[in-house]
Amino acid sequence: LAKTTQPISMDSYEGQEVNITCSHNNIATNDYITWYQQFPSQGPRFIIQGYKTKVTNEVASLFIPADRKSSTLSLPRVSLSDTAVYYCLVGKTDKLIFGTGTRLQVFP
Amino acid sequence: DTGVSQNPRHKITKRGQNVTFRCDPISEHNRLYWYRQTLGQGPEFLTYFQNEAQLEKSRLLSDRFSAERPKGSFSTLEIQRTEQGDSAMYLCASSLASGTGPGPQHFGDGTRLSIL
Repeated sequence: LAKTTQPISMDSYEGQEVNITCSHNNIATNDYITWYQQFPSQGPRFIIQGYKTKVTNEVASLFIPADRKSSTLSLPRVSLSDTAVYYCLVGKTDKLIFGTGTRLQVFP
Repeated sequence: DTGVSQNPRHKITKRGQNVTFRCDPISEHNRLYWYRQTLGQGPEFLTYFQNEAQLEKSRLLSDRFSAERPKGSFSTLEIQRTEQGDSAMYLCASSLASGTGPGPQHFGDGTRLSIL
């Protein structure tokens, strides 16, 4: 399974756009890129998944360049409630491999 | 709310005791997963079921651990002869198998196990 590298932590202010980049240099042809969000004392929550180019849903966008060696999760206009840990996962099966994630802190 | 339900939310027990956790998945989901998470780390995969069949087990799942999913509905995770290192959050997730890539997994809020 491809290993991912993402920043340990990020800070932002309310109303700003936040971009979290994940590196996955060894991604395989059939691997998908998936992002989860986790609040303290709760289970992770699925945010978005993509294979290539751009995917957008009601909460986030996922940008994947042509070489697929990295991806960027974009959160528009964050609020205090977006303070959480964000995990980038790469794989093709349901056996999810989580790293340590990016701890996003949003300030007022 | 029809999300994934886990019971109990907290369990405190003495070393050497047996514990059992229960997970009730989203009713129409045919896949069920167990993960373990320790402080500051991401969840670690333990095992998963498709319907009642246990399809994969991690090497993390020693012979003291056993999981079942009778009738393909709820699941139980039992830990025998608990050890200090078993202290963690045990998370359950469920999903509907799809043909294209790993589908979204819906997680419960976990059972926090503390070994005294």
